[in-house]
Amino acid sequence: NAGVTQTPKFQVLKTGQSMTLQCAQDMNHNSMYWYRQDPGMGLRLIYYSASEGTTDKGEVPNGYNVSRLNKREFSLRLESAAPSQTSVYFCASSEARRRGYFGPGTRLTVT
Amino acid sequence: QKEVEQNSGPLSVPEGAIASLNCTYSDRGSQSFFWYRQYSGKSPELIMSIYSNGDKEDGRFTAQLNKASQYVSLLIRDSQPSDSATYLCAVNKGNTGKLIFGQGTTLQVKP
Repeated sequence: NAGVTQTPKFQVLKTGQSMTLQCAQDMNHNSMYWYRQDPGMGLRLIYYSASEGTTDKGEVPNGYNVSRLNKREFSLRLESAAPSQTSVYFCASSEARRRGYFGPGTRLTVT
Repeated sequence: QKEVEQNSGPLSVPEGAIASLNCTYSDRGSQSFFWYRQYSGKSPELIMSIYSNGDKEDGRFTAQLNKASQYVSLLIRDSQPSDSATYLCAVNKGNTGKLIFGQGTTLQVKP
């Protein structure tokens, strides 16, 4: 039982490059989340998926797209990376209105 | 105004003292409330969850919820240096299910 897994753990991109962050959970949760964390900013919600096939914008969705491929997987795509997207990205999952379980995070640097 | 607000601190307390962390939220429909602890470079880990008005105790931790005042707090009794971390308040919005975090309060427990 791995919980929430994220790949990659670290990534360096050049401005304008694209990449996809992968997230998977094995707890059969309906809800999945993508957050970014910057110093002093807490966790800010990028996108949220309440169930397979549904997604909803969070607090900071600009510059990102998501795909809820199936119940297990929720990916985050940066189409054209910018230095402002340098951050630590966390994926999380939960049952409705219950606690969130977090992945280990992806440290992304955009130069 | 942020949907979930915390004093970013740092909050400094001596070892053995009570640390009090506070959080306010704006959505009156919110139903689930959580406190997470995050050590530097690590993922958030759940400390307490609370769903109804009043106090909930677990070991040295007590969560307090007042829905009328839209206020949730965390008390840490007999604070230890190992409690030094950032504490994140999270609120599950009632109508959307989104899990929204405050900016976190940094706690320093001095030996």
